[in-house]
Amino acid sequence: AQSVTQPDIHITVSEGASLELRCNYSYGATPYLFWYVQSPGQGLQLLLKYFSGDTLVQGIKGFEAEFKRSQSSFNLRKPSVHWSDAAEYFCAVGASNYQLIWGAGTKLIIKP
Amino acid sequence: NAGVTQTPKFQVLKTGQSMTLQCAQDMNHEYMSWYRQDPGMGLRLIHYSVGAGITDQGEVPNGYNVSRSTTEDFPLRLLSAAPSQTSVYFCASSPDVNQPQHFGDGTRLSIL
Repeated sequence: AQSVTQPDIHITVSEGASLELRCNYSYGATPYLFWYVQSPGQGLQLLLKYFSGDTLVQGIKGFEAEFKRSQSSFNLRKPSVHWSDAAEYFCAVGASNYQLIWGAGTKLIIKP
Repeated sequence: NAGVTQTPKFQVLKTGQSMTLQCAQDMNHEYMSWYRQDPGMGLRLIHYSVGAGITDQGEVPNGYNVSRSTTEDFPLRLLSAAPSQTSVYFCASSPDVNQPQHFGDGTRLSIL
């Protein structure tokens, strides 16, 4: 069955430190991959997407993600986090049955 | 530039009551969907539509009904509210399922 796993429920990072949020998926074909961010009390905003081509994709707010087919992963990275990055991050995979498959989310906490 | 508009933003219902959550988009998107978001469970798809007159069930459709008479509107109906339907509901739209989703701000629903 198709699935998306975000293994970390919470991650705490010091302001200015680097960040990596993990996303693993199970899907037979080449997937469409997305990362979204949700600030408290808000809807979800697209950070970046991968459809094809270059496996390193750049997004908004200084985020990037790398698609690794051999590892079925699409990890999100940022070289230096800011307090405003505190939010919940969701990975999603586009499946063939008109449905997106979502991870459970990772809550990012920033230490001053 | 309205995007996706959800109404109401907050609602409290009694068990057994019915109500309709409204969703409208002004981007001429064919694909629309309804999700519920519960703590630790990410987004779960309730129903989706690939165009006017076409709807289908997602992962958790029981207790909910939808219709899509126009491209713009995709209302979600709770037929007989139950406490288990207490959640935050998000409507989203996109040109198709594998394009980035545009989300509304959500409806926070409590069933007593």
